[in-house]
Amino acid sequence: GAVVSQHPSRVICKSGTSVKIECRSLDFQATTMFWYRQFPKQSLMLMATSNEGSKATYEQGVEKDKFLINHASLTLSTLTVTSAHPEDSSFYICSANLGGPTEAFFGQGTRLTVV
Amino acid sequence: GQNIDQPTEMTATEGAIVQINCTYQTSGFNGLFWYQQHAGEAPTFLSYNVLDGLEEKGRFSSFLSRSKGYSYLLLKELQMKDSASYLCAVKDSNYQLIWGAGTKLIIKP
Repeated sequence: GAVVSQHPSRVICKSGTSVKIECRSLDFQATTMFWYRQFPKQSLMLMATSNEGSKATYEQGVEKDKFLINHASLTLSTLTVTSAHPEDSSFYICSANLGGPTEAFFGQGTRLTVV
Repeated sequence: GQNIDQPTEMTATEGAIVQINCTYQTSGFNGLFWYQQHAGEAPTFLSYNVLDGLEEKGRFSSFLSRSKGYSYLLLKELQMKDSASYLCAVKDSNYQLIWGAGTKLIIKP
């Protein structure tokens, strides 16, 4: 099946710094990728939809200037958490699908800890 | 608004059968998915239903009734490794996945 690779799997950063998370579709082209956030014992929360060649679409309540999304190619989307704060510590997951009714393919997830 | 409901937590015994229910109310329907998620890991795909009826895949089966907005995931011959969260998700008219909160399944020996 299709493979989505997410990197890094874990990152610890200091407050005020920025962290970039990469999401790659390895064997298919993804015009759309999705970024999720998941707090402990809670379900996935869609943050934004990343569109290749255009601006991302952010869900209500998600700060676009804080969570910068770039989808410069059909196989790569990046999420940059800017000026990170401890409350940004969470599990971030990307996904992509082949379009239409097919399943979503997930990256491995990134555990971000801001200290 | 769009809503997906599933029980928060269930407990079952190793070797037994458990059924996890999911009800949904969404704007449009383009399929229902079940995913398994172990703590700290990304979800993994289990099943997909778009037509009414039962889909069987090994120890796991998933059922869908579109008229009732209802699905269940049936797990047979439970193993300790089946302890995980099970997420129900529906693709709406825009093919966007709407997620349930997940059901934490605890398997006891």
